[in-house]
Amino acid sequence: DTEVTQTPKHLVMGMTNKKSLKCEQHMGHRAMYWYKQKAKKPPELMFVYSYEKLSINESVPSRFSPECPNSSLLNLHLHALQPEDSALYLCASSPWGASGNTIYFGEGSWLTVV
Amino acid sequence: DQQVKQNSPSLSVQEGRISILNCDYTNSMFDYFLWYKKYPAEGPTFLISISSIKDKNEDGRFTVFLNKSAKHLSLHIVPSQPGDSAVYFCAASPRNTGGFKTIFGAGTRLFVKA
Repeated sequence: DTEVTQTPKHLVMGMTNKKSLKCEQHMGHRAMYWYKQKAKKPPELMFVYSYEKLSINESVPSRFSPECPNSSLLNLHLHALQPEDSALYLCASSPWGASGNTIYFGEGSWLTVV
Repeated sequence: DQQVKQNSPSLSVQEGRISILNCDYTNSMFDYFLWYKKYPAEGPTFLISISSIKDKNEDGRFTVFLNKSAKHLSLHIVPSQPGDSAVYFCAASPRNTGGFKTIFGAGTRLFVKA
C-alpha cells in the first residue's frame, strides 16, 4: 500500500483565516514532506520531518507552520496567507536511509487564498 | 541553477508508438533517479527509478536508461497509450541524503494521440 492521504482536497480561505492541511501515511515511512506546486512548475520543497523532528525548513515564511504529531501524521497550519500562496500543497513520505529512497506523494490539497 | 533539466516542455506521440522523454543533470553526486507522472489536479505518482549502479531498469511498458558519462537519462514508454497523457517529472537524489534533497525537473507534458 503506497498511499499518502491528504485532506481537504480543496480549501478556499481568506487572508485573515486560520486553517490546516492534514496528511496521513501508513507505510511506516519515517520521513515526511510538504511541497508546494504551482501550475507548470515542479514541486518545491518546503519542509522535511524525519522521525517526527523538523529536519529541513527551506526558508518558508512563518505563516506556514508544520507539525508532526506522530510518525503517521503531518499537518500544515496556515495563517495570514497571501493570494500568491494559492497553489497545490503536496504531502509526501519516504523511507529513511542514506540513498535510494523514493518519495511518495499524496493527491494534494488545492489551496486558494482570497 | 537548474541541476535537473527537461528541455522539452511537451511531446506529442501517436498511440502505439514509442514515447521518449529526456532528462539531463549536472550534479555528479546524484546517485538515484526517478520518474513521476502527474495528471491534472492530482499529486505526482511514482513511476520508475534507477540507481547509478545500473544503466537500465524496466517495468512493463516503461524503461529508464541512464548514461552516467553524459549525465543523461531517458524514459521510454512502449507502446504509448492515450492514458499515458500526463506531465512527466524527472527527479534526482544526491548520494547519502535519502530523499531529502531530491531535485525535480520542470516536467514534460506528453500527449498521446489516439
